[in-house]
Amino acid sequence: SQQGEEDPQALSIQEGENATMNCSYKTSINNLQWYRQNSGRGLVHLILIRSNEREKHSGRLRVTLDTSKKSSSLLITASRAADTASYFCATGLSSGGNEKLTFGTGTRLTIIP
Amino acid sequence: EADIYQTPRYLVIGTGKKITLECSQTMGHDKMYWYQQDPGMELHLIHYSYGVNSTEKGDLSSESTVSRIRTEHFPLTLESARPSHTSQYLCASSTLGGRTYNEQFFGPGTRLTVL
Repeated sequence: SQQGEEDPQALSIQEGENATMNCSYKTSINNLQWYRQNSGRGLVHLILIRSNEREKHSGRLRVTLDTSKKSSSLLITASRAADTASYFCATGLSSGGNEKLTFGTGTRLTIIP
Repeated sequence: EADIYQTPRYLVIGTGKKITLECSQTMGHDKMYWYQQDPGMELHLIHYSYGVNSTEKGDLSSESTVSRIRTEHFPLTLESARPSHTSQYLCASSTLGGRTYNEQFFGPGTRLTVL
């Protein structure tokens, strides 16, 4: 099964509300990253949190990481229509000095104006 | 905006044709990746490269091949396209990090349809 699984698979909220997405993973990691993908496009990096960090902020984004539960959450505050996209978590693990990312299944977020 | 380019953006081709998907980046990144993504699904790593003349297979088995003759260029080739190859192909790059954790920069993707 997937290293990263996201919950919920899809989420629809009213503009202005907060959106929370969760990611669970199975193995030890060096870092966890969140990416956004607009329909039919490539991914855009949002935020990276290291395994020794518990919380990180970037603008309207807040990411938490609980390595004991092997889970992370992404909170988008005061959502906007432009936040409509799919959001993926990706876990990073170094092997032989190099790092690969394993992507989760994604959460499809729809912001209703 | 990340300077990583993919061409073509869309390709519709018949079964049995040979195709090459182009990926170029102007950021001087050593690491480059190819992912395959079906609509609404997760990304699967199919190839990666840590530098010139370095190529490795990813987690998902793929009939495609790649080459890395120049740092900035990482083309993907399918010798004989089949309908099962229909998917979106995403190219990405990142800097060599070792113990430094780096984000990946993605191209816009190539949506391939094999009839």
